[in-house]
Amino acid sequence: TQLLEQSPQFLSIQEGENLTVYCNSSSVFSSLQWYRQEPGEGPVLLVTVVTGGEVKKLKRLTFQFGDARKDSSLHITAAQTGDTGLYLCAGARGGYTGNQFYFGTGTSLTVIP
Amino acid sequence: KAGVTQTPRYLIKTRGQQVTLSCSPISGHRSVSWYQQTPGQGLQFLFEYFSETQRNKGNFPGRFSGRQFSNSRSEMNVSTLELGDSALYLCASREGAAGLGYTFGSGTRLTVV
Repeated sequence: TQLLEQSPQFLSIQEGENLTVYCNSSSVFSSLQWYRQEPGEGPVLLVTVVTGGEVKKLKRLTFQFGDARKDSSLHITAAQTGDTGLYLCAGARGGYTGNQFYFGTGTSLTVIP
Repeated sequence: KAGVTQTPRYLIKTRGQQVTLSCSPISGHRSVSWYQQTPGQGLQFLFEYFSETQRNKGNFPGRFSGRQFSNSRSEMNVSTLELGDSALYLCASREGAAGLGYTFGSGTRLTVV
């Protein structure tokens, strides 16, 4: 059982459309990260959110951390073909040895020109 | 600043053999983690090393092992390879115990035939 569930699992949209990806859990996290991964490469960190209710914007990408720090969303405005990739959320929980990260199930996004 | 370097990028091994993968973290990063990524299971945590000590371990059999050297470079070893070990193995580094996200390498694509 995955600690973090992402939805949708697959998403195919036309260039210029908007979309939202969700990352949900029943557990509380001290922080949450979003990554984008392209085929054959490692994930690249996009953003870290720490405070419940926090909203961060990265150009056309908007990230929100839920008030209870159990969920997050990623909204992309006017998607471009360069946004194509696998989007992963990862929640951090602090064990005594330091933060442990739990990755979500992933959302594969394809933006069609 | 050089990124996380993983070698080799691709590897083909026969069932029953053993394999060693290498990872050089970002300079100054003392924490190195290893993940296995497959289409069906997503990113699964293998283990984390910090200052040459294994700090956390995922739920993998004892055939999977690792170590970290004094210069923070890390290796992981898989013995008695099985077909199901075919995956992308990702190494990630972060600063200390309170890091807020990983920097990943490009991964090693292991194929077991």
